Amino acid sequence: DGGITQSPKYLFRKEGQNVTLSCEQNLNHDAMYWYRQDPGQGLRLIYYSQIVNDFQKGDIAEGYSVSREKKESFPLTVTSAQKNPTAFYLCASRFTGGNQPQHFGDGTRLSIL
Amino acid sequence: QQQVKQSPQSLIVQKGGISIINCAYENTAFDYFPWYQQFPGKGPALLIAIRPDVSEKKEGRFTISFNKSAKQFSLHIMDSQPGDSATYFCAASIRAYGGATNKLIFGTGTLLAVQP
Repeated sequence: DGGITQSPKYLFRKEGQNVTLSCEQNLNHDAMYWYRQDPGQGLRLIYYSQIVNDFQKGDIAEGYSVSREKKESFPLTVTSAQKNPTAFYLCASRFTGGNQPQHFGDGTRLSIL
Repeated sequence: QQQVKQSPQSLIVQKGGISIINCAYENTAFDYFPWYQQFPGKGPALLIAIRPDVSEKKEGRFTISFNKSAKQFSLHIMDSQPGDSATYFCAASIRAYGGATNKLIFGTGTLLAVQP
């Protein structure tokens, strides 16, 4: 079955620690996205990538970093500079061109120890 | 101007009833309006979507009504079932970041509970 796999499902971060969230897709989508979801709020875009080896900041990129070395993979690193990292993180992907829908993974919940 | 306002925040409907969730926007550059359904601990799943040149789209028990002049669109769930209990997000798509990609602006979500 094609889809988007996010891991781990739950992640705990200590103060001053960087953590990396994994996102893998086998849908052959070109574009990939990272969103942050907080209670009572809509999804906010952190980073997106339209093509391998290229990515752009979204609305709330501070304290986060990404890489896109392979078409199917778009890992997100939450750095120690992100002072309020506790949230539900969602990865999405889609075909580029027009209004192709975004498909989402099942998320990673990050908490601070 | 890039906000999408969604109401109500929460909704309780009896089984078999009609659930109605409303969204409003200001920016006329939005060109695609999807609705997503999200269950606890899961990612949002695309439910149904509409373009602004269409006033209504129906897929099974789910219908989007779109009023371009009022800049409003709504999701109707007919014959609501307990299995429909979830959070629903409206969204609007716009070309962004210098036209490099389509950006989705999400509403704040509606928590729907369908009572048996």
